[in-house]
Amino acid sequence: AQRVTQPEKLLSVFKGAPVELKCNYSYSGSPELFWYVQYSRQRLQLLLRHISRESIKGFTADLNKGETSFHLKKPFAQEEDSAMYYCALSGQGGANNLFFGTGTRLTVIP
Amino acid sequence: DTEVTQTPKHLVMGMTNKKSLKCEQHMGHRAMYWYKQKAKKPPELMFVYSYEKLSINESVPSRFSPECPNSSLLNLHLHALQPEDSALYLCASSQRTGTNAHEQYFGPGTRLTVT
Repeated sequence: AQRVTQPEKLLSVFKGAPVELKCNYSYSGSPELFWYVQYSRQRLQLLLRHISRESIKGFTADLNKGETSFHLKKPFAQEEDSAMYYCALSGQGGANNLFFGTGTRLTVIP
Repeated sequence: DTEVTQTPKHLVMGMTNKKSLKCEQHMGHRAMYWYKQKAKKPPELMFVYSYEKLSINESVPSRFSPECPNSSLLNLHLHALQPEDSALYLCASSQRTGTNAHEQYFGPGTRLTVT
């Protein structure tokens, strides 16, 4: 069975401080991992995905298959980063369905 | 047009009512999804349509009936709902194949209250 764990429901950091949002997963095959973000009063949107290995808004995430983790990191947090962050997994096969973690609400303190 | 639109934004219905939620996208996506999101919880997948055919039903009760009349539209018909069905219902779409197949575009949701 697939499982996505985000251990922190709430995370507060000061502006300019590094931030790391943790995500661990369990899946029998080779999943695709994503980070989705929901800013206040906005719709859920894709932030980044592991296969593209890109940096979006200063965020990066590396898939560690040994530790089954996909932690989201940013070296210097900004106030506009305050949002709800969901780690999500999509399994193999043609379904394209996403399985979301419980989410971490990040608050960046000015 | 890179948006998924959903109507209505808010819906209040009684347990004996019949209502429908609508979702529309014009991005040429051939996969569409319904999710249910309870307060302070992540979205939970309900249905997946692929090329206008139902490909996944995550054991959703029959009082929820999805319909995909064409490649741009997705409906969710509601009948005899229970108060615990009150939630935010999200629609999403994505390409069916290719490198961007797993990038889902979400609508703003319909906030449903069952009284």
